[in-house]
Amino acid sequence: AQSVTQPDARVTVSEGASLQLRCKYSYFGTPYLFWYVQYPRQGLQLLLKYYPGDPVVQGVNGFEAEFSKSNSSFHLRKASVHWSDWAVYFCAVSIENQGGSAKLIFGEGTKLTVSS
Amino acid sequence: EAAVTQSPRSKVAVTGGKVTLSCHQTNNHDYMYWYRQDTGHGLRLIHYSYVADSTEKGDIPDGYKASRPSQENFSLILELASLSQTAVYFCASSLWGYAEQFFGPGTRLTVL
Repeated sequence: AQSVTQPDARVTVSEGASLQLRCKYSYFGTPYLFWYVQYPRQGLQLLLKYYPGDPVVQGVNGFEAEFSKSNSSFHLRKASVHWSDWAVYFCAVSIENQGGSAKLIFGEGTKLTVSS
Repeated sequence: EAAVTQSPRSKVAVTGGKVTLSCHQTNNHDYMYWYRQDTGHGLRLIHYSYVADSTEKGDIPDGYKASRPSQENFSLILELASLSQTAVYFCASSLWGYAEQFFGPGTRLTVL
């Protein structure tokens, strides 16, 4: 079955340190992949998206992600974390749905804490 | 200016009562979605629509109905609210099926 797995429910990183949040997906077709961020009591905001092409995609606020077909992964990275990055991060895959439409399947999220 | 708005932002409902959540988008998008988020978890798709006057079932449609009277508006209806429907509900829109989705701020529903 199609699914998205974020193996780390919680990650703590020191401010200024590098970050990697892991995402694995299961989907037989061509994946369209997304990373969203959710700040407390807010909706989801798009960080970056992968459409078939260059495996490394750049997003907002210095985030980037790399798609790996062989590993079925789409890990999120940032070179230097800022305290304002403290949030929950969701990985999602867009999969084919009925009627030619598509739907998003979300992972459970990774809560990022930034320590000083 | 916010492109996807939801009302109300929070609501307390009684078990067995009817609840209507509204969503309005100014993105000129054809696709609209309703998700629910339970505390500490990801989002799950309830209903979606890709054209006015038509809705489709998502992954967890039981206990919910949807209505899309126009391209801009998409409502989620709980005819008989239950305790298990306490959650945060998010509306989203997208230009086409595989495109990124733009989310509203959410509606926090508590059923007592």
